[in-house]
Amino acid sequence: SYVLTQSPSVSVAPGQTATITCGGNNIGSKSVHWYQQKPGQAPVVVVYDDSDRPSGIPERFSGSNSGNTATLTISRVEAGDEADYYCQVWDSATDLYVFGVGTKVTVL
Amino acid sequence: QVHLVQSGAEVKKPGASVRVSCKASQYTFIDSYIHWVRQAPGHGLEWMGWIDPNTGGTHCAQKFQGRVNMTRDTSITTASLEVSGLQSDDTAVYYCAKESTTTFFDSWGQGSLVIVSS
Repeated sequence: SYVLTQSPSVSVAPGQTATITCGGNNIGSKSVHWYQQKPGQAPVVVVYDDSDRPSGIPERFSGSNSGNTATLTISRVEAGDEADYYCQVWDSATDLYVFGVGTKVTVL
Repeated sequence: QVHLVQSGAEVKKPGASVRVSCKASQYTFIDSYIHWVRQAPGHGLEWMGWIDPNTGGTHCAQKFQGRVNMTRDTSITTASLEVSGLQSDDTAVYYCAKESTTTFFDSWGQGSLVIVSS
């Protein structure tokens, strides 16, 4: 089955940039979606289809996807961005939906 | 504003079954797949499967085949997940989520905690 790998944690100072990566075999050929999950809450999509943002998501959240790595970038990080972030793809070969293991973003 | 409201927490004994419901509103229920995703305490998100509310067709991850039953009732715009043969590692928050037009989940229920304990 298709596997997505994420670094377990990222620490960033307020105002700096957080970079979260999601690795997968030829992931650049798939559409990657990113979710933010705060403690005790349901996930919320922050980027979909590699780089699109839903309405209401700040422009500080951006995404890219190429080769074997997709990236979620959070610019000008704020305390409220502290959360777990998950990447997700649909594997058309198996019709399975796959999540990465998640990256915990800590704002110092 | 799409709304998915799930049933409340459950405590079950090992070997029992549990049913979680997901009431959908503010959109056309039959137009979007409903997925089930679970999250064990301190762990990540695990996709379980989907149901097509229009046809009732389902598809789930191999590890849940034979143990999970997904149904829907279009008259009350509600999807349900039944998990049988519960074990302690089934303790988790179970979420329903609505699929968008392009394979991501644009709305989620609030989650239903299922605790399996003797």
